[in-house]
Amino acid sequence: DTGVSQDPRHKITKRGQNVTFRCDPISEHNRLYWYRQTLGQGPEFLTYFQNEAQLEKSRLLSDRFSAERPKGSFSTLEIQRTEQGDSAMYLCASSSQGNYGYTFGSGTRLTVV
Amino acid sequence: AQSVTQLGSHVSVSEGALVLLRCNYSSSVPPYLFWYVQYPNQGLQLLLKYTTGATLVKGINGFEAEFKKSETSFHLTKPSAHMSDAAEYFCAVSGTGGYQKVTFGTGTKLQVIP
Repeated sequence: DTGVSQDPRHKITKRGQNVTFRCDPISEHNRLYWYRQTLGQGPEFLTYFQNEAQLEKSRLLSDRFSAERPKGSFSTLEIQRTEQGDSAMYLCASSSQGNYGYTFGSGTRLTVV
Repeated sequence: AQSVTQLGSHVSVSEGALVLLRCNYSSSVPPYLFWYVQYPNQGLQLLLKYTTGATLVKGINGFEAEFKKSETSFHLTKPSAHMSDAAEYFCAVSGTGGYQKVTFGTGTKLQVIP
């Protein structure tokens, strides 16, 4: 069990560019979550996958955001046409069915300049 | 929908003193409750959780929390603060049964003074 891995740890991008983040959950975990955290705030829910199915999306997830989890393993979160307001820490977490409590990755910190 | 309110965005305690971080929840049904800790530039780590059973829950690093339904509270305590406890602490809530999204509070930053 190597924990939840996120890549990259840091990303600086120019406004208008597209970015993609990757999350590798714990292998036995079938549930995967993306959260966004801005400075001084708690994590805000973005989306949830059970296996490969995306079962819930927050209204925070605008049309510029898309997430996938092909084959129910790793997941990607893509932000198109980034804006300065997208600057935040993007956290991925996973859990197994019936086990309440997430295991978080270290996050990807996005800075849009 | 569930929510939590953390009282005090910053708490300072002396090393060796009692740590008390306050959390109140709002839920129309009995919820599941969690405390997470976050160190700078890191993800969140689960400290403890209440699902069912005993209302006093013990977690890692000497922390514990008590679920008080009458007070809708789930305060986090530690008898004696250590310098390594300095971090940000998040209370969180979810519904029960099947998949239920976890909703986090805004966090309390704990400072430990030597």
